[in-house]
Amino acid sequence: DVKVTQSSRYLVKRTGEKVFLECVQDMDHENMFWYRQDPGLGLRLIYFSYDVKMKEKGDIPEGYSVSREKKERFSLILESASTNQTSMYLCASSLSSSRQETQYFGPGTRLLVL
Amino acid sequence: QQQVKQSPQSLIVQKGGISIINCAYENTAFDYFPWYQQFPGKGPALLIAIRPDVSEKKEGRFTISFNKSAKQFSLHIMDSQPGDSATYFCAASMFGGSRLTFGEGTQLTVNP
Repeated sequence: DVKVTQSSRYLVKRTGEKVFLECVQDMDHENMFWYRQDPGLGLRLIYFSYDVKMKEKGDIPEGYSVSREKKERFSLILESASTNQTSMYLCASSLSSSRQETQYFGPGTRLLVL
Repeated sequence: QQQVKQSPQSLIVQKGGISIINCAYENTAFDYFPWYQQFPGKGPALLIAIRPDVSEKKEGRFTISFNKSAKQFSLHIMDSQPGDSATYFCAASMFGGSRLTFGEGTQLTVNP
């Protein structure tokens, strides 16, 4: 079974702090994704990566950056957290960058920025 | 802008009833349409998916109906059960691409 793990289930941070969200997948997947989930807005793609050190902006990249130094790990960075970044953050992975594969999601990190 | 529009936002159905969730898209380059199911405290998981070369796909109690000319697709849950209570997301992606565009989500409650 594919397993996608996220470093924290709940996180409370203060405005202006630098925040790191970590995601690890154990199935040698090429693609990794970061989404945020907000009620009534669905899942919105922040960034994705199709290979180590490669990244592409999603629909809402402003205020975020990402890092993928190893194939299994994809980090989301909030350089200076703001209250409007309070949300549920979901990481996902899929096998191949060239095919429409199932995305496997982690359990999510609920971030509260005070 | 939301390229995939989903309705209703919430749905309450009695046990044994039929649950219907609808999605509409605008981008004619979309050619893969999955549905994801999310239980509280969990990440979404693939439920069923369809490609536009067929008009319907059925897996157990779950059916996707696809209308290419109307650019609409829907999820039907037959004999709905309380265990089906979850949030459902439709999504779409383009040929050769792995990036999904999700709808807004539908919170389904099936009353016993």
